[in-house]
Amino acid sequence: QKEVEQDPGPLSVPEGAIVSLNCTYSNSAFQYFMWYRQYSRKGPELLMYTYSSGNKEDGRFTAQVDKSSKYISLFIRDSQPSDSATYLCAMSAGANSKLTFGKGITLSVRP
Amino acid sequence: DAGITQSPRHKVTETGTPVTLRCHQTENHRYMYWYRQDPGHGLRLIHYSYGVKDTDKGEVSDGYSVSRSKTEDFLLTLESATSSQTSVYFCAMKGGPGTGEENEQYFGPGTRLTVT
Repeated sequence: QKEVEQDPGPLSVPEGAIVSLNCTYSNSAFQYFMWYRQYSRKGPELLMYTYSSGNKEDGRFTAQVDKSSKYISLFIRDSQPSDSATYLCAMSAGANSKLTFGKGITLSVRP
Repeated sequence: DAGITQSPRHKVTETGTPVTLRCHQTENHRYMYWYRQDPGHGLRLIHYSYGVKDTDKGEVSDGYSVSRSKTEDFLLTLESATSSQTSVYFCAMKGGPGTGEENEQYFGPGTRLTVT
């Protein structure tokens, strides 16, 4: 079993839809969880960062962590064509640990 | 791009030639990383550095070496390029303990390398 599994996609939704992106993981030591957004031919950009379980909201984006289920989610409300990108989840056990990434899912938001 | 740049941005080279990619950061961050990104594999760690002259291997380090003689610069060298090293290479940085950015990595714009 891979340490981090992410739905491979691709995912296509109409503008205005609520998008749910998910990752599961197997390493119970992971405490720090991140979502990166990567536009085509660009570097990954840190979108959301959460520590331990719970929710974090930033504008139209909500990151959710359920450590008991080893499951993290990113919700995008009122999705826009500008949200079309690849989304990668990433997680680590602590400051001295390396990041482990999911393989990413490509989202397309249709006007 | 959060004070991190990469050069060159694109390179085409021939099999067997050495290639050096440069990563430069202006944030005085302690940790720096080199990744490669390939379809179906996602981001894979090649090497990382936790300080000047302090480096260690990642999961796909064979055929690559790194050097860090200054905090701001982290060099990745392909000693003898092969076609399997055709990829997009990303550099990343992270603050050390006590910086308030102990866990978040910030990425550069990438270098697209083609080995013919």
